[in-house]
Amino acid sequence: DAKTTQPNSMESNEEEPVHLPCNHSTISGTDYIHWYRQLPSQGPEYVIHGLTSNVNNRMASLAIAEDRKSSTLILHRATLRDAAVYYCILRGVFFNQAGTALIFGKGTTLSVSS
Amino acid sequence: GAGVSQSPRYKVAKRGQDVALRCDPISGHVSLFWYQQALGQGPEFLTYFQNEAQLDKSGLPSDRFFAERPEGSVSTLKIQRTQQEDSAVYLCASSPTPTYEQYFGPGTRLTVT
Repeated sequence: DAKTTQPNSMESNEEEPVHLPCNHSTISGTDYIHWYRQLPSQGPEYVIHGLTSNVNNRMASLAIAEDRKSSTLILHRATLRDAAVYYCILRGVFFNQAGTALIFGKGTTLSVSS
Repeated sequence: GAGVSQSPRYKVAKRGQDVALRCDPISGHVSLFWYQQALGQGPEFLTYFQNEAQLDKSGLPSDRFFAERPEGSVSTLKIQRTQQEDSAVYLCASSPTPTYEQYFGPGTRLTVT
């Protein structure tokens, strides 16, 4: 899986939007962009994923650059419960029988202040 | 519905002891993954099962690590002769298919003293 680059940490205020960036300049045409987050003392949880077009779900939005070399996870109104480590992960569309493990980096630690 | 559960949640072992960590995946999920997470790091892949078949064990750090899923549901990760460097959180994840999103359990925190 190709490598992603994220800032180590970001800060936000409650009720404000948060834009979490991710660079993936070596992404291949068959790589999906996935985001997971890990709340303190919990396992990671899926947030959103996309291939080329921007995506929205109940948790967040994913904006993908036209050249696909970067993406941004958008939390529209941050809450204290959104304080977590956010991981940007590339995952190939085509998989071999060995499965498709997630390759995590260090992620971005998001702090939210009230 | 019920998510992925892991037991025990915390385990303290003396160096040299054997430990067994259990994962109960979501019912019907074909794929099961084990990850190891050291303090301050992201999770790292250990091994993958598709039903009862262990299709990838490339991430297991040594032959002291062994995993099984004999009936294609519950899985056990066993670590023999534990060492201090084995101290970490061990996470289990399941998914209905190999490429679907993964559902993680809360993890087992192993401390080797």
